[in-house]
Amino acid sequence: GAVVSQHPSRVICKSGTSVKIECRSLDFQATTMFWYRQFPKQSLMLMATSNEGSKATYEQGVEKDKFLINHASLTLSTLTVTSAHPEDSSFYICSAVQGKETQYFGPGTRLLVL
Amino acid sequence: AQRVTQPEKLLSVFKGAPVELKCNYSYSGSPELFWYVQYSRQRLQLLLRHISRESIKGFTADLNKGETSFHLKKPFAQEEDSAMYYCALSGHSGGSNYKLTFGKGTLLTVNP
Repeated sequence: GAVVSQHPSRVICKSGTSVKIECRSLDFQATTMFWYRQFPKQSLMLMATSNEGSKATYEQGVEKDKFLINHASLTLSTLTVTSAHPEDSSFYICSAVQGKETQYFGPGTRLLVL
Repeated sequence: AQRVTQPEKLLSVFKGAPVELKCNYSYSGSPELFWYVQYSRQRLQLLLRHISRESIKGFTADLNKGETSFHLKKPFAQEEDSAMYYCALSGHSGGSNYKLTFGKGTLLTVNP
């Protein structure tokens, strides 16, 4: 089946630094990748939709300058949390889809900002 | 706007009992509905989608457009069904953005 990986699985950083999270589709080409944020014991909230070769579409309330998304190839999308602060600590999950097919989810990245 | 409501945060049943996880949605167009499951310490994975009309691991879900519901059912729950279940809706606005809106999830616990 389709596999999506994320790296790193967890990261701890100091306040003010930037953190990059990678999302890769390992065995298929993903025309679209999605980035979600999940707070403890809460549902997934869509942050942005990323299409290869074009600018990401951000959901209302998500700061595009804060959460930089790059989808440089059909198998890789990156999310960079710039100037991270403690309130950015969360579980970040990506998913990838090929055309109109099912979204396949990555295992998530736990970010802790001190 | 699209919205998914899962009224039960927690659901606890005994092994062998029937289980129903409720899901209601709000969407003006023709939605596609999904159930995703997340077992402990595992990633989110698709359980079933309404257009497939299939039964996965004994679970079924029927889309009721009149009641705008997509409840998940299993006649005899198993302990290994214990997990977090999310109902999700995909709205095809514009045809190019198949983004999912998730409900808040229901934590199912099947007791021995």
